[in-house]
Amino acid sequence: DTGVSQNPRHKITKRGQNVTFRCDPISEHNRLYWYRQTLGQGPEFLTYFQNEAQLEKSRLLSDRFSAERPKGSFSTLEIQRTEQGDSAMYLCASSFDRTYQLDSYNEQFFGPGTRLTVL
Amino acid sequence: GENVEQHPSTLSVQEGDSAVIKCTYSDSASNYFPWYKQELGKGPQLIIDIRSNVGEKKDQRIAVTLNKTAKHFSLHITETQPEDSAVYFCVPLETSYDKVIFGPGTSLSVIP
Repeated sequence: DTGVSQNPRHKITKRGQNVTFRCDPISEHNRLYWYRQTLGQGPEFLTYFQNEAQLEKSRLLSDRFSAERPKGSFSTLEIQRTEQGDSAMYLCASSFDRTYQLDSYNEQFFGPGTRLTVL
Repeated sequence: GENVEQHPSTLSVQEGDSAVIKCTYSDSASNYFPWYKQELGKGPQLIIDIRSNVGEKKDQRIAVTLNKTAKHFSLHITETQPEDSAVYFCVPLETSYDKVIFGPGTSLSVIP
């Protein structure tokens, strides 16, 4: 399977614990995005990387959240001191940047997500 | 920023009937109009898209129509099947975008 993969698929943790999620993008994709989705809502953008550089972070990404993509391939999203409000589905997506091509579109391919439950 | 409205928020149809979801937007710079489908427990998936120089595009049972003057585009699903049950998101974009901004979507239920 050459799609975007995420691990773990489910995570249950107690409030105050730290959690880390991993995303493996499609291999030739240089962009990687993290989104958060709560029940009944569309995904909300958190941050994205172009290769290993983190180019944008949403205001939703509090100081307790940190994302890395050290080698420009897989990425991790860590949440420190989890709170019940962090319970959500965390989605990763990847794309191949074609903005150098006029009228191009960088289609994003989404992974299955990691469902976090904070007790 | 872009103001996007999608109607209806929920839609229930009998299997075999057609379903139409309408999306209105405000940013006249939008020139690319994809629709995403999200099935339960999965990430969103691009199912069809249209560019601003085209009025209609079809792919088997699904079609998208665009009225750029009125700033709305619609998703049409004909001969609906239970596997069409999902949440659908319209996401008007400029092609040089960095991130996708999703609204709440439309929850479609196809009743067998």
